[in-house]
Amino acid sequence: GAVVSQHPSWVICKSGTSVKIECRSLDFQATTMFWYRQFPKQSLMLMATSNEGSKATYEQGVEKDKFLINHASLTLSTLTVTSAHPEDSSFYICSASSNSGSNQPQHFGDGTRLSIL
Amino acid sequence: GESVGLHLPTLSVQEGDNSIINCAYSNSASDYFIWYKQESGKGPQFIIDIRSNMDKRQGQRVTVLLNKTVKHLSLQIAATQPGDSAVYFCAENNYGQNFVFGPGTRLSVLP
Repeated sequence: GAVVSQHPSWVICKSGTSVKIECRSLDFQATTMFWYRQFPKQSLMLMATSNEGSKATYEQGVEKDKFLINHASLTLSTLTVTSAHPEDSSFYICSASSNSGSNQPQHFGDGTRLSIL
Repeated sequence: GESVGLHLPTLSVQEGDNSIINCAYSNSASDYFIWYKQESGKGPQFIIDIRSNMDKRQGQRVTVLLNKTVKHLSLQIAATQPGDSAVYFCAENNYGQNFVFGPGTRLSVLP
């Protein structure tokens, strides 16, 4: 149980392109979804937290106009990297939790490797 | 042995030996902790969790120990196998707030 699917797993695109990444909870309702960025050999860096039907809460230093997050349903959240540039190349990982405000584990997708040429 | 690389500490153990991965957490008010395993190119996978009202919890081949006095968490893996090779992250949570992840430890299992 508690499966999170992330798509695509790898995307390569030209600079200036906008890229959408989907995160789906397959067998549970995700009240809260999280988006992380991870650089090689480093830990996960939280970018934003989204609750279904609400605006996402962005961490300090993360540009909300650059990284658009939509959490329109209890099973789907999307992250759109707008006008992507090479410095946006990274591993993006989503996670989902079925219960916000209480101590429950986050379940992670398998990440999306974004390469901007 | 254990070494600290540029960003990621590495622990090397012989297959069959027990592994102990350590984590120092930052917030004394944190009340929930998780160990995650991340294999190359994949997302973190839940291993085991522990709440602050406990100091030890056991799973299948894994044990988590919590020492709140010194804000220390450890993950013990019994009879380490090649499939255990991965990066292990501890994560702390404070009353349902966002999880804070540790820097990670790379576990290498030697044949």
